[in-house]
Amino acid sequence: QVQLVQSGAEVKKPGASVKVSCKASGYTFTSYYMHWVRQAPGQGLEWMGIINPSGGSTSYAQKFQGRVTMTRDTSTSTVYMELSSLRSEDTAVYYCARGLRLGELSLGPWGQGTLVTVSS
Amino acid sequence: DIQMTQSPSSVSASVGDRVTITCRASQGISSWLAWYQQKPGKAPKLLIYAASSLQSGVPSRFSGSGSGTDFTLTISSLQPEDFATYYCQQANSFPPVFGGGTKVEIK
Repeated sequence: QVQLVQSGAEVKKPGASVKVSCKASGYTFTSYYMHWVRQAPGQGLEWMGIINPSGGSTSYAQKFQGRVTMTRDTSTSTVYMELSSLRSEDTAVYYCARGLRLGELSLGPWGQGTLVTVSS
Repeated sequence: DIQMTQSPSSVSASVGDRVTITCRASQGISSWLAWYQQKPGKAPKLLIYAASSLQSGVPSRFSGSGSGTDFTLTISSLQPEDFATYYCQQANSFPPVFGGGTKVEIK
């Protein structure tokens, strides 16, 4: 079955960077786009960006342009999301989620989430 | 960006009730709309895609309808495990924006 397993919780200081991983299994890694979505405490869902694991191309939400980098390692079927210049407002649970089908923006399987806490 | 507006933001209902949640897009998105269910401390789960297609494994008491700008999610007979927060998401174009969520609470 399809599984997305994310890395563990992180605590970072303001101004630092964080890199969250998402390891995929149970399907052909390069056949589905991967999205990143975050959720601040008590808030709704916020789409951050997308990566095509096949060629590595990316598209980011304007809000995160210049601060987020999404990469992939096809040898380990893992995607990464790095967010830099962290501030307290970046405290959130970060999810990876696989596209339902190629070319579709609905999100099928989701990872379990990674809590990132930004605090001095 | 396309904006998604859900209503109501919360609803109190009893087991067995019929519950309807609406989602409005700021511009037409054809049938490119998805619905998700999220329980506390858990990742969202896809319920409906393409406005009315039921995701595999989702109970048939969930249904979706609509096209263009106005959409609805209906739970025909609310079950105890359905108390959760529901989000719509436009899947027509980048960025795929989510609605603000509707919390379904026990009456």
